[in-house]
Amino acid sequence: DVKVTQSSRYLVKRTGEKVFLECVQDMDHENMFWYRQDPGLGLRLIYFSYDVKMKEKGDIPEGYSVSREKKERFSLILESASTNQTSMYLCASCWGGQPQHFGDGTRLSIL
Amino acid sequence: ELKVEQNPLFLSMQEGKNYTIYCNYSTTSDRLYWYRQDPGKSLESLFVLLSNGAVKQEGRLMASLDTKARLSTLHITAAVHDLSATYFCAVVTSTGNQFYFGTGTSLTVIP
Repeated sequence: DVKVTQSSRYLVKRTGEKVFLECVQDMDHENMFWYRQDPGLGLRLIYFSYDVKMKEKGDIPEGYSVSREKKERFSLILESASTNQTSMYLCASCWGGQPQHFGDGTRLSIL
Repeated sequence: ELKVEQNPLFLSMQEGKNYTIYCNYSTTSDRLYWYRQDPGKSLESLFVLLSNGAVKQEGRLMASLDTKARLSTLHITAAVHDLSATYFCAVVTSTGNQFYFGTGTSLTVIP
């Protein structure tokens, strides 16, 4: 069965910290995505990647960066966390035109 | 930028009733997805609609796509409590792999 694993379900960090969110998929998918989900705003795309070492900005990339050194792993980095980055973060992967498979999400709180 | 609008945002309906959720999008697309999200959980793929006039059905849910009107509908027949969840539509542009999500419809089925 398809599996997308996010490293933490809940995470609490302090303002100014560098934060790493990890996502691993076991399906050999080419495409991987990071979203944040906020009430009333749906899912907003932060970054996506369609191949190793390739990345594309989504709609809200400011304050974030990503890394994809291996096909199965896509990391989201908050360079200097701020309180407005408190949110639910969802990782997803897919192959071609197939539906995305989502991880369980990381609820991140920045204090 | 492709915009995706869902309505209604909130829907409270009685068991046994029928209702329709609408998903409008702003530019040409040939792929539309419906997802379900239970509280505290991640998104689960329901349907993929790939062509004009496509119709998919699973249990009490039926989804359709009209690419000329840029409209998809998710019809709920004889609602039951287990259908209570948030439903998202998502569209992929014809030129790329970026998914654009609607804001979601929060459905509550009341006994």
